[in-house]
Amino acid sequence: DQQVKQNSPSLSVQEGRISILNCDYTNSMFDYFLWYKKYPAEGPTFLISISSIKDKNEDGRFTVFLNKSAKHLSLHIVPSQPGDSAVYFCAANSGGSNYKLTFGKGTLLTVNP
Amino acid sequence: DAGVTQSPTHLIKTRGQQVTLRCSPKSGHDTVSWYQQALGQGPQFIFQYYEEEERQRGNFPDRFSGHQFPNYSSELNVNALLLGDSALYLCASSLLQGEETQYFGPGTRLLVL
Repeated sequence: DQQVKQNSPSLSVQEGRISILNCDYTNSMFDYFLWYKKYPAEGPTFLISISSIKDKNEDGRFTVFLNKSAKHLSLHIVPSQPGDSAVYFCAANSGGSNYKLTFGKGTLLTVNP
Repeated sequence: DAGVTQSPTHLIKTRGQQVTLRCSPKSGHDTVSWYQQALGQGPQFIFQYYEEEERQRGNFPDRFSGHQFPNYSSELNVNALLLGDSALYLCASSLLQGEETQYFGPGTRLLVL
């Protein structure tokens, strides 16, 4: 039973355009959501997070949107750069940032020059 | 400031053997979590250690056990290895009372033959 779903295994965009990565969740107890980026042979790197009391959080080129009623979140990257090419994981937990993270399967983003 | 480190980077074992993986948390962190990432999947939570005690546990059998030392470093032990235990094992550290999220190490790639 997958509680965090990333339904797009891959996404390809042109450099300079917007990348939108989507994530759905089923567990209503989740109250903290995170995005991690992973390059091959490296561990996941934290990108941005959002608490369930907010609907948007922005950090430079990265913005995460949360729609609690739809149990949906998305990560927007603007403008996309070739160095953004990586696997992006959506994760969620409840009870605070130190509690166990439940991850989606990831979306491979390729940004073409 | 050293991040999360893990050893070894790669390991090959045969079915039935036992394995020990090691993790040193980021400087200043006191909590260590372990995750298993199978090919094509997102990381799955195994367990978390704080103050040398197991604080949370995921849906993994008792063959998976761990330990945390007074210097906050941690070990993951897997007994009676199965082919299905082949995966990337990730360690993440955090500060229990802090607001930061979990920071991941590069992982140990385990292959069971």
